[in-house]
Amino acid sequence: KNQVEQSPQSLIILEGKNCTLQCNYTVSPFSNLRWYKQDTGRGPVSLTIMTFSENTKSNGRYTATLDADTKQSSLHITASQLSDSASYICVVSDSGGGADGLTFGKGTHLIIQP
Amino acid sequence: DTGVSQDPRHKITKRGQNVTFRCDPISEHNRLYWYRQTLGQGPEFLTYFQNEAQLEKSRLLSDRFSAERPKGSFSTLEIQRTEQGDSAMYLCASSSAGTPNYGYTFGSGTRLTVV
Repeated sequence: KNQVEQSPQSLIILEGKNCTLQCNYTVSPFSNLRWYKQDTGRGPVSLTIMTFSENTKSNGRYTATLDADTKQSSLHITASQLSDSASYICVVSDSGGGADGLTFGKGTHLIIQP
Repeated sequence: DTGVSQDPRHKITKRGQNVTFRCDPISEHNRLYWYRQTLGQGPEFLTYFQNEAQLEKSRLLSDRFSAERPKGSFSTLEIQRTEQGDSAMYLCASSSAGTPNYGYTFGSGTRLTVV
């Protein structure tokens, strides 16, 4: 069964600090992995999308890495801001392309404290 | 085009009542998806359409749930005889059949509270 596990479940850091969120997956066959940011009460917004051949991708202060061999990904946030407080969801797609080809993690709830 | 729109943003209803939500996808997207998300969980797939055809339904979609996309544009999700367990965020997403996983955009969701 395809699974996506995220850690930690929740994280509190001080404004200005860096942090790294983890995503391990067992989805096969692999098509792509994406990170979403979801503010409270809003829908998820895509941050990065990576295919098998990509091992790093940046979007401003967000940098995602992918190790397709170990089936692990990380999302690094640099110089955190209060607006980074949100849930970060890792989503892995298999090659099927159908609607149920997306496997969602439960998310990491990040809180940035001033 | 302002992205995927969902209406209403919030809905409070009494147990046993029927509710209907609407989703307007990105205009050039022909695929439309419905998800349910409860607190602390990732979105759970409910159903999806390609144009007006409903191609997949999750086992989560009980007989009380029905979704339509009559003209291949907007979609509605109806829940009949609501139960407290139906309280959740209902998310809609859309994509293009050519790149179903890449152009995947979510709406802001409809928060349903059943009292």
